[in-house]
Amino acid sequence: AQTVTQSQPEMSVQEAETVTLSCTYDTSENNYYLFWYKQPPSRQMILVIRQEAYKQQNATENRFSVNFQKAAKSFSLKISDSQLGDTAMYFCAFMNYKPGGGADGLTFGKGTHLIIQP
Amino acid sequence: DTGVSQDPRHKITKRGQNVTFRCDPISEHNRLYWYRQTLGQGPEFLTYFQNEAQLEKSRLLSDRFSAERPKGSFSTLEIQRTEQGDSAMYLCASRKTGGEQYFGPGTRLTVT
Repeated sequence: AQTVTQSQPEMSVQEAETVTLSCTYDTSENNYYLFWYKQPPSRQMILVIRQEAYKQQNATENRFSVNFQKAAKSFSLKISDSQLGDTAMYFCAFMNYKPGGGADGLTFGKGTHLIIQP
Repeated sequence: DTGVSQDPRHKITKRGQNVTFRCDPISEHNRLYWYRQTLGQGPEFLTYFQNEAQLEKSRLLSDRFSAERPKGSFSTLEIQRTEQGDSAMYLCASRKTGGEQYFGPGTRLTVT
């Protein structure tokens, strides 16, 4: 079974600063996906960024980028030029890659509450 | 594309009652997932459908829980004889093969 660990329950930074959220995971699989999801207060979960384990290049999406270290099983999220609207719970998630289909539910960490201060 | 919808958004019930939640996935999404999220925790996987077939159930899904997706479109999650420990947010997500999961707004269940 996979486990996902987010060691920072809460982080607070000033608007426009850069912040990095940590995530480590444990798996015996070689092919998998990693995700960061954002859950704003009382709003639904949305995907921030996705990384395929077979890709060495780190994924980027505008102000969001990841540092994927497969050997260390580490997957951190960097948010540049943080904005007030980035305030939310951020969840790191793992999904096995199953080419023939089959169960592929996400395994989530406990989340990091990110607060962007004005 | 109107997104994943869930109904009701909130449900308050008394212990011992049965409740049923509905999830309407994004059209053309053949895969549908149910998760449970308790306060301060990340979502936990409950069950998964590919079209109308329920392919996996988590050990979290006790015998009091049942899920269906009769025509491969919407899905229902029923909890029988609710207990206070069932209080949580129940999330539904859908995706098409090769795509990412899109989540609905969730149904918040409170068992009194």
